[in-house]
Amino acid sequence: EAGVTQFPSHSVIEKGQTVTLRCDPISGHDNLYWYRRVMGKEIKFLLHFVKESKQDESGMPNNRFLAERTGGTYSTLKVQPAELEDSGVYFCASSQEWQWGTGADTQYFGPGTRLTVL
Amino acid sequence: AQSVTQLGSHVSVSEGALVLLRCNYSSSVPPYLFWYVQYPNQGLQLLLKYTSAATLVKGINGFEAEFKKSETSFHLTKPSAHMSDAAEYFCAVSDVSGTYKYIFGTGTRLKVLA
Repeated sequence: EAGVTQFPSHSVIEKGQTVTLRCDPISGHDNLYWYRRVMGKEIKFLLHFVKESKQDESGMPNNRFLAERTGGTYSTLKVQPAELEDSGVYFCASSQEWQWGTGADTQYFGPGTRLTVL
Repeated sequence: AQSVTQLGSHVSVSEGALVLLRCNYSSSVPPYLFWYVQYPNQGLQLLLKYTSAATLVKGINGFEAEFKKSETSFHLTKPSAHMSDAAEYFCAVSDVSGTYKYIFGTGTRLKVLA
């Protein structure tokens, strides 16, 4: 079974440019999460999809970030325009069917996309 | 609100020595707790998880963790460190009050000395 994949693995852009990160979850996983780790700090939640619907986007830093999950499969995270503080590693994770009251579904993480904004 | 604290951003142990990585959590409800490991240039890999079935949880690669409610702790241990254990370790709690997103600690980088 293929794991969670992310593309690109690295991206170096200049301030003001646009970057789109892609995540392909494990096939059949309804839940898709985006996280970010800024250097030296903890991994922080950005948002959560259940299928194609945004369930929780409370962690999105501002309106320069736009996430989509068309058709409930892969997801993209676009940063436009990028700022210096957006640099970090962006992780995607997926888990199986979401059921209220369980909370025990393991999230499977991708290798991350390292974004550097110059 | 739930939170996780990992004591020690860097831990060094000798090969063959006990590994102890500390994690304390804060939660008003019974938590779901996880330990993940990130090897260089790889993604996060699940080591083990606590979901209230048993307080002593065994994971992969010889790691285990014990849930202690009275101490709000979930420390990770391994009896004998191997060079291959050098990595960064993350403790996380699942936000059961919302959408089960993870709340992570700041991570502990383990160095194993020959």
